[in-house]
Amino acid sequence: EVQLVESGGGLVQPGRSLRLSCAGSGFAFGDHDMSWVRQAPGKGLEWVGFIRSKAYGGTTEYAASVKGRFTFSRDDSKSIAYLQMNSLETEDTAVYYCTRAFIVQVTAATYWYFGHWGRGTLVTVSS
Amino acid sequence: QSVLTQPPSASGTPGQRVTISCSGSSSNIKKNTVNWYQQLPGTAPKLLIYTNNQRPSGVPDRFSASKSGTSASLAISGLQSEDEATYYCAAWDDSLNGPVFGGGTKLTVL
Repeated sequence: EVQLVESGGGLVQPGRSLRLSCAGSGFAFGDHDMSWVRQAPGKGLEWVGFIRSKAYGGTTEYAASVKGRFTFSRDDSKSIAYLQMNSLETEDTAVYYCTRAFIVQVTAATYWYFGHWGRGTLVTVSS
Repeated sequence: QSVLTQPPSASGTPGQRVTISCSGSSSNIKKNTVNWYQQLPGTAPKLLIYTNNQRPSGVPDRFSASKSGTSASLAISGLQSEDEATYYCAAWDDSLNGPVFGGGTKLTVL
């Protein structure tokens, strides 16, 4: 059974940093792209970004709202994906979900989906 | 303001058929595939429909979806009380090189 477990959330002051982890099990972690999606309290879903598998160069892509402040990485030997969040702002307060992503980009279209989700970890940015 | 537009709410009675619309543009829905996610209260989202109209294993065939041009829709037939949830559409957006979500539609089973 595919499982994703996020950890590392908590209360942090504006301007500080936090690192989230996502531990995967039940699948070949290194073969899959991983993505993060967040949900502010009472709000909808917002894509944060993704990190491709090594087969796709481990490349990363970020939403404009976090670009330059957030960084994805992965340790396939441990089946863990990381989200390093720097210069946190109150608007970053949200539940952060780790997802296993399927992304195939061809000339005609991008085929994609987030097939498996973790339960999420809450990040609260407040003074 | 979400890139994809969904009605904020929908409702129906048990056994009824309801549809939820999702409107986008040529850079997302028209060109790329659409997915639908179901979020039950207090839980993480779950993939409900992928690649416009495909159901993952375990999703009842009461759930169906379609796409035409810059719009997509989700249909739920034989509505059940356990279908009460928020439903999100999502599509890859070429302008962002990433997915965009609708604002979500909260479905109430009366």
